[in-house]
Amino acid sequence: KQEVTQIPAALSVPEGENLVLNCSFTDSAIYNLQWFRQDPGKGLTSLLLIQSSQREQTSGRLNASLDKSSGRSTLYIAASQPGDSATYLCAVPLGSQGNLIFGKGTKLSVKP
Amino acid sequence: EAGVAQSPRYKIIEKRQSVAFWCNPISGHATLYWYQQILGQGPKLLIQFQNNGVVDDSQLPKDRFSAERLKGVDSTLKIQPAKLEDSAVYLCASSLTDITYEQYFGPGTRLTVT
Repeated sequence: KQEVTQIPAALSVPEGENLVLNCSFTDSAIYNLQWFRQDPGKGLTSLLLIQSSQREQTSGRLNASLDKSSGRSTLYIAASQPGDSATYLCAVPLGSQGNLIFGKGTKLSVKP
Repeated sequence: EAGVAQSPRYKIIEKRQSVAFWCNPISGHATLYWYQQILGQGPKLLIQFQNNGVVDDSQLPKDRFSAERLKGVDSTLKIQPAKLEDSAVYLCASSLTDITYEQYFGPGTRLTVT
């Protein structure tokens, strides 16, 4: 059974810091891994999707890496800003049909 | 390109009442998902459609929840009768049926059952 864990559950940093969010999964036979952002009371916004054949993906100040063999992914946020404050969720599909298994998320707070 | 639309955004009902949620996916997306997100948890799949057929409804409480996707476009999710533990955000997502299955989510419907 696939399980997804995110550490830490919450993180508070001062503005400008670089930070790393962690995601681990128990079954390494995944098709891809997706990182999402969720603002309070809102839906999920897709940030990055890494295919199983890729090692990393970058979008602006965000960089996500994937190590299938160790069952881990990291989301690196450079030069954090107060607008980055949100909950970050990672998810992997169950099988090839796309049903996503989510972690509980990391709640990030960036202080001005 | 318009995103996934959901309505209503908020709903408050009493237990044992019924409620329905509506979702309109991104145009051309064959796969549609309904997820339930309880406070402090990640979303959990309730049902997945491909066009108007059900792919996975193994976690849908079928004694009270039902969903349909007529004509392979819009979808409705219904709860009847509602229980207190149904209080959650109900998220609709859609994806192309391609190798990535990258999912795009709507804003969600926040249901409170009193």
